[in-house]
Amino acid sequence: DIQLTQSPSSVSASLGDSVSITCRANQDIGTWLAWYQQGPGKAPILLIYGASTLKSGVPSRFSGSGSGTDFTLSIRSLQPEDFATYYCQQSNSFPLTFGTGTKLEIK
Amino acid sequence: QVQLVESGGGVVRPGTSLRLSCVTSGFDFTSYGLHWVRQTPGKGLEWVALVSFDEDNTFYPDSVKGRFIISRDNSKNTFYLQMNSLRPEDTAVYYCTASPAMVTFDLWGQGTLVTVSS
Repeated sequence: DIQLTQSPSSVSASLGDSVSITCRANQDIGTWLAWYQQGPGKAPILLIYGASTLKSGVPSRFSGSGSGTDFTLSIRSLQPEDFATYYCQQSNSFPLTFGTGTKLEIK
Repeated sequence: QVQLVESGGGVVRPGTSLRLSCVTSGFDFTSYGLHWVRQTPGKGLEWVALVSFDEDNTFYPDSVKGRFIISRDNSKNTFYLQMNSLRPEDTAVYYCTASPAMVTFDLWGQGTLVTVSS
C-alpha cells in the first residue's frame, strides 16, 4: 500500500497569512494526488486533483504542486473558513489511501 | 442540488451484519463511480469500497475484503454497503462518496456512525 505522510501535523497561522502543507508518498505516484479540506463535524471537500488542478468553485488562493513523491498544498491570504484539517489522497493505485492529516489552526 | 444521504448506521455486536444505504440526487448517477469512506479519530480517513459506474467492477482494501460488499441500484440512484462479520475496529463514521473520475472523492454525504461493541 502507498503511504502518505503529511507535515506538519498541525500549524497555527493568522488571518491573511500564507501556509504550505506537504505530503510525501513512499513511492512514485506521478500526479495522482488530491487534496481535501474538512471542517469540524463535516464531510471532507475536494479542493485539488491531479496534484495541481483546482476543482471548480474552489477559491484561487488554494494551489497545489508537486509530482512523484513530494507534493505541496499552499493557501495564501488565509480566510476564517480556511481553518480546518487538510488531507492528501493518492489515486495512483489501489487501495486508495489518505494522508495523516494537517490541522490548520488560528493563531 | 447535489445530495447524498446515508442511512443504516447504529450500534451492533461483533460478528453481526449491517447494511448502509446512500440515496443520491442532483447528479448523473450512472456516470459516477461510488465509494464508501470511513473515518475514525485514531486512524483518520480510510477508503472502504468502490463500485464502478457500470457495476462491473468492485474494489476493496484488504481490511474489509471478503466481509463488505458494495452494490448499486441505478434505477433508484442508490448504493449500498453490506457489512458482514463486523469487528470493533470497523467502528467509524461512514461516508458515501461519488466520483466522475472513479478515484477521487468529489461528492460526499454527511456520514453515518457505525459502532461495533459488545
